[in-house]
Amino acid sequence: TQLLEQSPQFLSIQEGENLTVYCNSSSVFSSLQWYRQEPGEGPVLLVTVVTGGEVKKLKRLTFQFGDARKDSSLHITAAQPGDTGLYLCAGDDMRFGAGTRLTVKP
Amino acid sequence: EAGVVQSPRYKIIEKKQPVAFWCNPISGHNTLYWYLQNLGQGPELLIRYENEEAVDDSQLPKDRFSAERLKGVDSTLKIQPAELGDSAVYLCASSLMGGREAGYEQYFGPGTRLTVT
Repeated sequence: TQLLEQSPQFLSIQEGENLTVYCNSSSVFSSLQWYRQEPGEGPVLLVTVVTGGEVKKLKRLTFQFGDARKDSSLHITAAQPGDTGLYLCAGDDMRFGAGTRLTVKP
Repeated sequence: EAGVVQSPRYKIIEKKQPVAFWCNPISGHNTLYWYLQNLGQGPELLIRYENEEAVDDSQLPKDRFSAERLKGVDSTLKIQPAELGDSAVYLCASSLMGGREAGYEQYFGPGTRLTVT
């Protein structure tokens, strides 16, 4: 089992601020996924990164896969209240990290 | 296209009682997953099916949990008998393919919130 550690565990910011959350492992992944989960719902896939050093953008969200394919980051620009949720990363072994709970205050 | 369907959405039972959860995956998805999610944590994989075959059940507590996926479509997850510590959200997900190949992106249902009293 390849353990995924996410940081920070909690993050509370004001609308308009930028933020970065991290997903780290000591193991190499062939790919990694990011999900967002809202209360009472299942996780929803945001992106899959597969190539070391890859950067993917989804509107205000920027995802990066580390060169060594052991870590990933998610950067949100100008956060909005609608970005509030639990951000989860998952490796290609279908194991998830514990998540970062983001709250964006209006 | 319909998403992953789970029922019931909520279930409250007394300890030592049995309980079952049902999942209907996205049409055409060969791989089905059951996860357990505790409050404030990420989902923990319980079992993964490729068609009818359980290919990864290493995290399934087999003394009280069982699962089946007859005909390779719908699946049920059962707990018998339930314990207080089983209170959690049980998530079902499906993907086009399994393993570490492209196409394994998972689509989740809304989950069943189980409360054991």
